[in-house]
Amino acid sequence: DAGITQSPRHKVTETGTPVTLRCHQTENHRYMYWYRQDPGHGLRLIHYSYGVKDTDKGEVSDGYSVSRSKTEDFLLTLESATSSQTSVYFCAIAGTSGLETQYFGPGTRLLVL
Amino acid sequence: SQQGEEDPQALSIQEGENATMNCSYKTSINNLQWYRQNSGRGLVHLILIRSNEREKHSGRLRVTLDTSKKSSSLLITASRAADTASYFCATGVNTGFQKLVFGTGTRLLVSP
Repeated sequence: DAGITQSPRHKVTETGTPVTLRCHQTENHRYMYWYRQDPGHGLRLIHYSYGVKDTDKGEVSDGYSVSRSKTEDFLLTLESATSSQTSVYFCAIAGTSGLETQYFGPGTRLLVL
Repeated sequence: SQQGEEDPQALSIQEGENATMNCSYKTSINNLQWYRQNSGRGLVHLILIRSNEREKHSGRLRVTLDTSKKSSSLLITASRAADTASYFCATGVNTGFQKLVFGTGTRLLVSP
C-alpha cells in the first residue's frame, strides 16, 4: 500500500467523544488527504494538506479538524463524534501534484454509537 | 454533488468476457483516472488519461476519453474472477486547489 498506514483500523466510540485517526506515510509525499466512504456517495474529501502545517477544507469538513506537524503524519480529529460520522475513512498521498495519482491507505472503520 | 457518475452501478459477467464501465463528468478536467477497490481494502490506481489523450492501454485495460461528451470508458478484456471489485473514476480538477473528485463506482462481479 505504498508505505501508508492508518491507525486504528477499527474503532467503536460513543456519540460526543473526540476521536483521532492517524495516517502515517514513509514516501515523503507532499500531499495528503482524508476521505470518507459511504454507500451511494463514493469517496468524499474531508480535508487535505499540501505541506507541513498547510491544510485546507474539502467538501465535507464540518465536524472535522486536521493537523500536520510532520511530513509523514496527518491526523484527522472528530471533535465530538456523531452517528452521521460512522463511515470508512481513507487516507491518501500524492507526490508531485494534487491532480496526479493518489495512493491509498487500508482504511479505518469507525462506528459511532 | 459528484463530478463523476459511473454506469452501470453493477455488472455481472462470466470469466473470459469483456467488461465495460462508463464514467460521465460535468466540468473541465486536467485528467481522468480509474481506481479499483477490492472489498474491505483501499483504492488502487489503475490508469490515468490526460485531457489531451483519447485512448490509453495498460495490460488488459483500455481507457477512452471523450472530452466533448465529458465521458470516459474502462474496458477490461478477458475478465478473470480476480477482477471482481468496485471500480471508480476520478477526475483531476483544478478549482483553486488541485483535487480528485471520485464517482460512486461500478461493482463488477466476474463468475468462474
